[in-house]
Parts: sequence; C-alpha cells; structure tokens
Amino acid sequence: KAGVTQTPRYLIKTRGQQVTLSCSPISGHRSVSWYQQTPGQGLQFLFEYFSETQRNKGNFPGRFSGRQFSNSRSEMNVSTLELGDSALYLCASSPYPFDTEQFFGPGTRLTVL
Amino acid sequence: DAKTTQPPSMDCAEGRAANLPCNHSTISGNEYVYWYRQIHSQGPQYIIHGLKNNETNEMASLIITEDRKSSTLILPHATLRDTAVYYCIVRVVTGGDYKLSFGAGTTVTVRA
Repeated sequence: KAGVTQTPRYLIKTRGQQVTLSCSPISGHRSVSWYQQTPGQGLQFLFEYFSETQRNKGNFPGRFSGRQFSNSRSEMNVSTLELGDSALYLCASSPYPFDTEQFFGPGTRLTVL
Repeated sequence: DAKTTQPPSMDCAEGRAANLPCNHSTISGNEYVYWYRQIHSQGPQYIIHGLKNNETNEMASLIITEDRKSSTLILPHATLRDTAVYYCIVRVVTGGDYKLSFGAGTTVTVRA
C-alpha cells in the first residue's frame, strides 16, 4: 500500500505570494491533518479534515486554509506569504480523525524569501 | 488543554534501555498520551499511546503514573537507528472533537 505523498517536496516563494501544497493520503484513509514544523516552534497542528469537512483547527491566522476533496486528497493554501512561514509542512492521514496511528508524509519544505 | 514538557536531549548507550520522561501535570481524565518519533528528514512515526494503564508493543513500553501527571517511554534495547527526536503528545477528546498539545521533543542520541 502506498504511503502518504506530498507535492511538491521543495518550494521557494517570495513574500506576498501565495502557495498551495498537496497531500494524497493512504488509500482508504479519510482523515488528513496538516502540521507546520519550524526550528523555533517545533511541530504545530494546523487543521484536520475528515470527509471534506474541517473538524479542528490550530491557532494559525486565516492566511492558512485548506480543503479536502471527495477522494480524500487535501490541499493547504497559504496566502500573502511571510518570511516566518518558511517551514516543513507535514501531512498525516488516518482512517478516522486522529486515529490510533497517524501516518505522516515526508513533508514539503517551503522557503519564503 | 494539557501541556507537555520533555527534557531537550539525552544520550543512551547502544543496547541499553532508554527512558524518556514526559510531564503532563495538567492532564485530565479523557486525555490520551501519545508518543511519536522523528528521524532526520522523515515525517514523524507513531510509537505507542495510552490512557491509564501501562502499554507495551514491539517498539516500546509506556509507563503512566497513577495520577497520570507524567509518563515514561521506554526503548528496551536502544539501537543506533533509534536516534531521533521523540515527541510526547497529549490528545483530549471533547464531544467528538479533539485538541493536540505537542511537547518540544527530546533529541535522543544512541551511541555505540
């Protein structure tokens, strides 16, 4: 069974731009969660989607948004990029919301210049 | 929401047990304790979780104190491949929703 895939793996943007990251969960998994990882703040929960509905959201500004499609694939969008948005963005999937075990993808490394 | 605190780093000799502490003194009755680890350049990997009782699987053991204010992850026979950042996570479930509280993580270095 294929694991969680994230595209692109690396991305460079400039301040003020917007970016869309994609996550394909493991087949059969309907829950997708997004996390931001930075050296200073560590791993922080962004939001979680289940059956195309956002179920929970972390403490991030409205510039961070996401959605989930009927095939459970998810996208995350960050508008008006700031330097501080440079981070590793991780996606995790599970059959149900934060199930016993979440399976993480390799992440997308976003650099904002 | 329960917060977790972990030591920033620890060393362990290969073949010896590694005991990783986590403090979650504000934990309440319906909050689970999860442990994940992250090996360099990879996404985090699930290790184990528990609520009240001690748990063991093929990777590790989880010891939760009776008052549930702290827990210890035990890697019984550490290998060099266990070198990673270990995260203690508290999950609370309220009315079908949940919130997460990640610790800062403990960087474990296993030395030959």
